[in-house]
Amino acid sequence: GAVVSQHPSWVICKSGTSVKIECRSLDFQATTMFWYRQFPKQSLMLMATSNEGSKATYEQGVEKDKFLINHASLTLSTLTVTSAHPEDSSFYICSARELAEISYEQYFGPGTRLTVT
Amino acid sequence: AQTVTQSQPEMSVQEAETVTLSCTYDTSENNYYLFWYKQPPSRQMILVIRQEAYKQQNATENRFSVNFQKAAKSFSLKISDSQLGDTAMYFCAFMKRSGGGADGLTFGKGTHLIIQP
Repeated sequence: GAVVSQHPSWVICKSGTSVKIECRSLDFQATTMFWYRQFPKQSLMLMATSNEGSKATYEQGVEKDKFLINHASLTLSTLTVTSAHPEDSSFYICSARELAEISYEQYFGPGTRLTVT
Repeated sequence: AQTVTQSQPEMSVQEAETVTLSCTYDTSENNYYLFWYKQPPSRQMILVIRQEAYKQQNATENRFSVNFQKAAKSFSLKISDSQLGDTAMYFCAFMKRSGGGADGLTFGKGTHLIIQP
């Protein structure tokens, strides 16, 4: 149980285009989903927190107009990187917290590698 | 805001040995969780162990145990009888315990653990 998927696992896009990354909780309902960014050989940095049916909360320094987050259902959150540039190339990881979970554990997706050329 | 510090960028031990990874954190919060995550080359984040700050007893999961010193804000991970499959990046992480919502994780920079045959 507690499986989180991400799609696509790897995407290459051209500079100036937009790309959407999906995060799905497959066997549980997620009240909250989180988006992290990981640069090569570095740690994970929290970008934003999304709650189903409400606007996402972005961490300081994260451009909300560039990284659009939508959490339309209890099993799906999307991250859209708008007008992507090479510096947006990174590994994006989502995690989800189960609706009824009291242990505060977050279940992580396998990540999406974005390369902007 | 909280910070998490892992002072060992890389460690290498022989198979079957015991290894301890260090982690310190800084926070003004009193209620929080601490985690150790493992990230193998696949980059899938795997929860190793969790500690609730209000619990004095150190958490243990099979070969993995922690030494939680709340006053010193220290949270080290001990891996006993290390195995080749333990080779991975290990991240220490902090999460504030919220009343009704959920907070994202603050990660340390990670320790690359290499188990030598």
